[in-house]
Amino acid sequence: DAGVTQSPTHLIKTRGQQVTLRCSPISGHKSVSWYQQVLGQGPQFIFQYYEKEERGRGNFPDRFSARQFPNYSSELNVNALLLGDSALYLCASSSPGQGSYEQYFGPGTRLTVT
Amino acid sequence: AQKITQTQPGMFVQEKEAVTLDCTYDTSDPSYGLFWYKQPSSGEMIFLIYQGSYDQQNATEGRYSLNFQKARKSANLVISASQLGDSAMYFCAMREKISGSARQLTFGSGTQLTVLP
Repeated sequence: DAGVTQSPTHLIKTRGQQVTLRCSPISGHKSVSWYQQVLGQGPQFIFQYYEKEERGRGNFPDRFSARQFPNYSSELNVNALLLGDSALYLCASSSPGQGSYEQYFGPGTRLTVT
Repeated sequence: AQKITQTQPGMFVQEKEAVTLDCTYDTSDPSYGLFWYKQPSSGEMIFLIYQGSYDQQNATEGRYSLNFQKARKSANLVISASQLGDSAMYFCAMREKISGSARQLTFGSGTQLTVLP
């Protein structure tokens, strides 16, 4: 089975622009989470979606938004980009039926804001 | 407050030797899970091992074992017989309940492991 996929792999944007990142979960997984990983730090939780509903949100400004589609894929949108938004954005999928709630991560999207 | 603490920014180990990566955590939730992930320079987070708060025995997965000391709130990763391919960043993470069945992972700052030939 295919793992979690993300697109694009790399992206360069200018301050003030908007960006959309995409994620497709593992087949059968209904939950998608987004994380931001700034260089030299551990990932920080941004959102979790389950069955198209937002189930959790981390400490991020309203410039960050997301949605989940009927096929469980997800998009993360960031408006009014700042230099500090430069990071690796990771998507993870999980199946709440699993006892460990293990999250499977995709390869990430590297966003550079100039 | 820091919920996951990894006090070793960098570690070196000789090939074929064992190494322990430290992790302490803080939570008031009686039901939690602890994970270790490996992140090579490519960026992908690779799941290594999981320990549930109610598990009586320490988790093991091949060359990886988790030294879980609940009273001390520590969950150290032990890698036996280190290989050159083990060189990577290692993250300890704790699963926390958001609401209902929703969960998030809180990560530590990571330990960069370098295996020397």
